[in-house]
Amino acid sequence: EVVLTQSPGTLSLSPGERATLSCRASQTIGTSYLAWYQQKPGQAPRLLIYGASSRATGIPDRFSGSGSGTDFTLTISKLEPEDFAVYYCQHYGTPRPPFTFGGGTKVEIK
Amino acid sequence: QLHLQESGPGLVNPSETLSLTCAVSGGSISTGRYYWGWIRQPPGKGLECIGTIYFSGNSYYNPSVESRVTTSMDTSRNQFSLTLSSVTAADTAVYYCARGLVTESYYYHYMDIWGKGTTVTVSS
Repeated sequence: EVVLTQSPGTLSLSPGERATLSCRASQTIGTSYLAWYQQKPGQAPRLLIYGASSRATGIPDRFSGSGSGTDFTLTISKLEPEDFAVYYCQHYGTPRPPFTFGGGTKVEIK
Repeated sequence: QLHLQESGPGLVNPSETLSLTCAVSGGSISTGRYYWGWIRQPPGKGLECIGTIYFSGNSYYNPSVESRVTTSMDTSRNQFSLTLSSVTAADTAVYYCARGLVTESYYYHYMDIWGKGTTVTVSS
């Protein structure tokens, strides 16, 4: 089982600042099969990034993903007020789900 | 546009069986392109995918609940379901249903469309 460790647990930033979130896997994730989701309070998660770096439909270009192997990063270039939320990474891409999520990173207003 | 809507009892007694349904509109669940999943989130905690089902009937479960969970599909009603037996307070959570992609080689991928979730509380 792949274990995903996200850091930091909480990120306190101001609007307009850059956010860098980390997701580290316990073993190599093949073909960069890593997704990022955003969850706002009281809402369902929303797919942001798949394939480590591809933005899902309708996701603004201030969101970008990078990484490969065991180390992945979600970057929000300039935080908008609506970006303050919890972000989860998830690996996928095998014939046998279900797949685990990371523990999440909360991006809060400083 | 595809829409998923969970429904369930809200409150379940300990040791009883929880049954949830996800109604899908705007597309058919009888397609080989997608699988259908259940994800839960205990209060204040993270996400846990507990089960998936494919239109062929193949189901996969999280080891944490594998002995207690079953998923099924009702293609005539375009909905899929989850049952979880012998529930305890630890099963209290928001339960989401979601659609995931399946490749031509039957590899399961990310989940791109989610329902809004239904809250389940296990308490007497």
